Amino acid sequence: GNSVTQMEGPVTLSEEAFLTINCTYTATGYPSLFWYVQYPGEGLQLLLKATKADDKGSNKGFEATYRKETTSFHLEKGSVQVSDSAVYFCALRNNNDMRFGAGTRLTVKP
Amino acid sequence: DTEVTQTPKHLVMGMTNKKSLKCEQHMGHRAMYWYKQKAKKPPELMFVYSYEKLSINESVPSRFSPECPNSSLLNLHLHALQPEDSALYLCASSFGGQGTDTQYFGPGTRLTVL
Repeated sequence: GNSVTQMEGPVTLSEEAFLTINCTYTATGYPSLFWYVQYPGEGLQLLLKATKADDKGSNKGFEATYRKETTSFHLEKGSVQVSDSAVYFCALRNNNDMRFGAGTRLTVKP
Repeated sequence: DTEVTQTPKHLVMGMTNKKSLKCEQHMGHRAMYWYKQKAKKPPELMFVYSYEKLSINESVPSRFSPECPNSSLLNLHLHALQPEDSALYLCASSFGGQGTDTQYFGPGTRLTVL
């Protein structure tokens, strides 16, 4: 079946630090991979996505590369800001089956 | 416009009440979804509508009844809920049912069952 394993955290960083949130997946076929972000009291916002192997998704300084050989889609950002504090979900979509990782709470301190 | 709207934003109901959640999108998407999210947990898929037909029901109890009156609108009818049904209910939509389609989420309805 389809599943996503994500580093759960919480993660606390100082402003301008480097961020990595690990995500690995299990799936049959060729899933699409996503990172969503959820701010307190809000719904999920799409952060970035990749639809095939070696694709790199990027947005707002965040990046993730679809690695089929390691079944991974790690999220990175070179310099985090206080406004990046939120919960980050890695997700996989295989046709109509959508699976989310457990979520990683990121807190960035000034 | 990549907006999915949901009403109400908050809902408090008793176990004997009947209420409905509403979701709307005007992006021309033909697939719509209901998710349930408990505190500090990821969203869990409940229902999928594709071209206004129910295509997936993830073994959800019958006290939750989805309805898709047209391609822009999705309802979730609630009846005889239990306190453990208290959660954030998220609606999402995507262009179609393909694996590469991005799901766009609404802000959610926070439901409390007393």
